[in-house]
Amino acid sequence: GENVEQHPSTLSVQEGDSAVIKCTYSDSASNYFPWYKQELGKGPQLIIDIRSNVGEKKDQRIAVTLNKTAKHFSLHITETQPEDSAVYFCAASTSSNTGKLIFGQGTTLQVKP
Amino acid sequence: DAGVTQSPTHLIKTRGQQVTLRCSPKSGHDTVSWYQQALGQGPQFIFQYYEEEERQRGNFPDRFSGHQFPNYSSELNVNALLLGDSALYLCASSLTGQGVYEQYFGPGTRLTVT
Repeated sequence: GENVEQHPSTLSVQEGDSAVIKCTYSDSASNYFPWYKQELGKGPQLIIDIRSNVGEKKDQRIAVTLNKTAKHFSLHITETQPEDSAVYFCAASTSSNTGKLIFGQGTTLQVKP
Repeated sequence: DAGVTQSPTHLIKTRGQQVTLRCSPKSGHDTVSWYQQALGQGPQFIFQYYEEEERQRGNFPDRFSGHQFPNYSSELNVNALLLGDSALYLCASSLTGQGVYEQYFGPGTRLTVT
């Protein structure tokens, strides 16, 4: 069935370093891949997304890459700051009609000052 | 621009009771999806409502039901509550059509079943 695997489950970096989170998906029909940031006590916040017709997308310090052949996609955060500390979720949408999202298990990112 | 709102924020219920959670979508959105997020896990899709009908359903029992109103707001109902229903329930809104996929989440309702 539909599945999204996310690694690592926890990631600790020094302020200013880069952080990379990786996800793989099982359904080759997936065509939309968003990333969410969830802070304690809050709902997930959409931070960046990519569609299957694009290989890379950047927005300031964050970027996402997609490898359709290998069925994996990654989130890259450069020049990390303490406020980047949160749980990050990747997701894949296998339905272009409804956009139902299948989420990974989450990565807890800690940025040490 | 009003974002997605949910009520109540927290709720404590007893096993066997019924609960109703509410969601108002982001201004301009017409589609509401509900997700269940257990502690330490990613959200799991429950179902989606569009044009006041359930359009797609995830792997959840019939105890979970919903409704969408003409103003696009939505309710999630859970009957015969089990301890395992304790979770954060998230509502996400989106705009159907024109290939728009983005889903925006509300703050969630924390349900505790004792």
